[in-house]
Amino acid sequence: QSVLTQPPSASGTPGQRVTISCSGSSSNIESNTVSWYLHLPGTAPKLLIYSNNQRPSGVPDRFSGSKSGTSASLAISGLQSEDEADYYCAAWDDSLNGPVFGGGTKLTVL
Amino acid sequence: QVQVVQSGAEVKKPGSSVKVSCKASGGTFSSYGINWVRQAPGQGLEWMGRIVPILGLATYAQKFQGRVTITADKSTSTSYMDLSSLRSEDTAVYYCARSRDGYDYYYFDYWGQGTLVTVSS
Repeated sequence: QSVLTQPPSASGTPGQRVTISCSGSSSNIESNTVSWYLHLPGTAPKLLIYSNNQRPSGVPDRFSGSKSGTSASLAISGLQSEDEADYYCAAWDDSLNGPVFGGGTKLTVL
Repeated sequence: QVQVVQSGAEVKKPGSSVKVSCKASGGTFSSYGINWVRQAPGQGLEWMGRIVPILGLATYAQKFQGRVTITADKSTSTSYMDLSSLRSEDTAVYYCARSRDGYDYYYFDYWGQGTLVTVSS
């Protein structure tokens, strides 16, 4: 059981906008910032968003993040076939004294 | 550009230990956290612990306390994760990842390619 809760799957058609949610608690998301990762099986996970809504250099602005209270969201606009991957949220947890992850959301581009 | 390269796949017997390495190049190694994260088949990502090489201080997730040891060699920019008393549930892909952290943020900016550890009799 992951500490952060994500929907197991999401889908969209090319060009659409999809959002992936991440739910936590006062000890993690509410009091610390959230990061998001793209993961293709067999490859290294890639940082997409850090500090709730900041994009590292090289990440397209189609990817955006937001946070409110104990929840966070990743939005992907202008969906492309290469966006098909697993997406994970993460945040530091003050009670566990370590970072925690969501269970991951498998995004399918129809 | 930072590159993180891990050692190759391992097959281990239950009860034995495994040591996985992670070498960083192209960037600063010693002053950042080097973390170990694993992903069991069909499961999500799970943080195991981290070390800050310049401090030589390692911290571990409670679940792995007493079974995992994370070390770092500053001279070669290499971190090692040693997991003992292996059981079948430890079969997973193990990743190392560099972290950035501050007052209210903690994230992983560079990851290794992963090392598959299979525990089987």
